[in-house]
Formats: sequence, structure tokens, C-alpha cells
Amino acid sequence: KQEVTQIPAALSVPEGENLVLNCSFTDSAIYNLQWFRQDPGKGLTSLLLIQSSQREQTSGRLNASLDKSSGRSTLYIAASQPGDSATYLCAVPSGNTGKLIFGQGTTLQVKP
Amino acid sequence: DAGVIQSPRHEVTEMGQEVTLRCKPISGHNSLFWYRQTMMRGLELLIYFNNNVPIDDSGMPEDRFSAKMPNASFSTLKIQPSEPRDSAVYFCASRTGGLSYEQYFGPGTRLTVT
Repeated sequence: KQEVTQIPAALSVPEGENLVLNCSFTDSAIYNLQWFRQDPGKGLTSLLLIQSSQREQTSGRLNASLDKSSGRSTLYIAASQPGDSATYLCAVPSGNTGKLIFGQGTTLQVKP
Repeated sequence: DAGVIQSPRHEVTEMGQEVTLRCKPISGHNSLFWYRQTMMRGLELLIYFNNNVPIDDSGMPEDRFSAKMPNASFSTLKIQPSEPRDSAVYFCASRTGGLSYEQYFGPGTRLTVT
């Protein structure tokens, strides 16, 4: 059974810092890994999708890496801004349906 | 494209009432998922449709929950009768192609059962 864990559960940093969010999964036989952002009371916004054959994906100040063999992914946020404050979720598709198994998320606060 | 559309955005109802949540997936997407998010359990799949056919409903908590997809552009999730423990945010997501493709989520319906 696939399990996804995110560490830390919460993170508070001053503006401008570079930071890393961690995601681990127990079954390395994944098709891809998706990172989402969720603002309070809002839906999920897809940030990055890394296919199993890829090592990393970049979008602006965001860079996500994937190491299937060790069951880990990291989301790197460069030069953090207060607008980056949100909960970040990672998810992997599971089973024949590809239903997403989510971690519990990392809640990020970037202080001005 | 307008993205995945859900309605209503907020629903407050009394225990015992019927609740119907609606979803319009992205045009051309052939897979539709209903998820539920709670503080205790996080995000969990309720049911998955492929080409309008329910494929995996193992996440539906009990017989009070039912879902339909009468056509490629519309799905409903119904709770009858509703209970306070059903209070949660319900998300609809859609996907095109196979398992390697991205899922796109709607804004969610926040359900409160009093």
C-alpha cells in the first residue's frame, strides 16, 4: 500500500530565503509525482508534474526533483516571498486507476 | 478552458437532508475523480470514473453516498441522508489519457452539516 509522507508539517521562514520541502513515498513503482499548492479555503493548484523517467522539473522559482529509487522528492523554492505562503502537497498515482495518494502537506509561512 | 467547475462552492444543510454536489470536468478529459478533504484524514479518493463508467468506488464511505456520471461533461455526488461527520471539502478532478497524465482539480465544495 502506497504511503506518502511530507516533512516538515509546518515551516516559517523570513522573506528571501531558499527553502526545501520534502516528500517521501513507500512504493517506488510510480508513474509520476505531482506537487500542488493549496491556499487557505481554496482548491488545489498544480505546480509541477515529474514523470518517473525525469529527475527534475522547473517552473520559475520552483524546482522539483525526483529520486525513485530512494522514494523521495523535494520541492525547492528560491528567494521565497510572502505570496508563497500556502500549504504544499505532494501526491503520487496509485493502482490501476491512478488515484492520487496525498501527503499531509507542509504549511509554509514566509514572513516579510 | 474554464477548468474543472464545481457547484455549489459552499453548502450548509441540516442533518438528514439530501445534498447534491456537481462537477463539470475539463472538456476532452475522460477520467473523473471525486476526493474528500478533512483535517483528520487529509485528501482521500471517493470514486473514480473512466469514460463515464464508475471503475473504483472503494472509497465511498457508506451507502448514503452515491455518484453518477450521465455524460462526459457532468457528474454528481449525492449524500442522503447527510450527517455532521460528512462535513468536509469535496473536490472533483479530471484527467485526460492514462496514469502518467496530470490531474486538474476544481475549487471544491465546502459542505457543512449541522
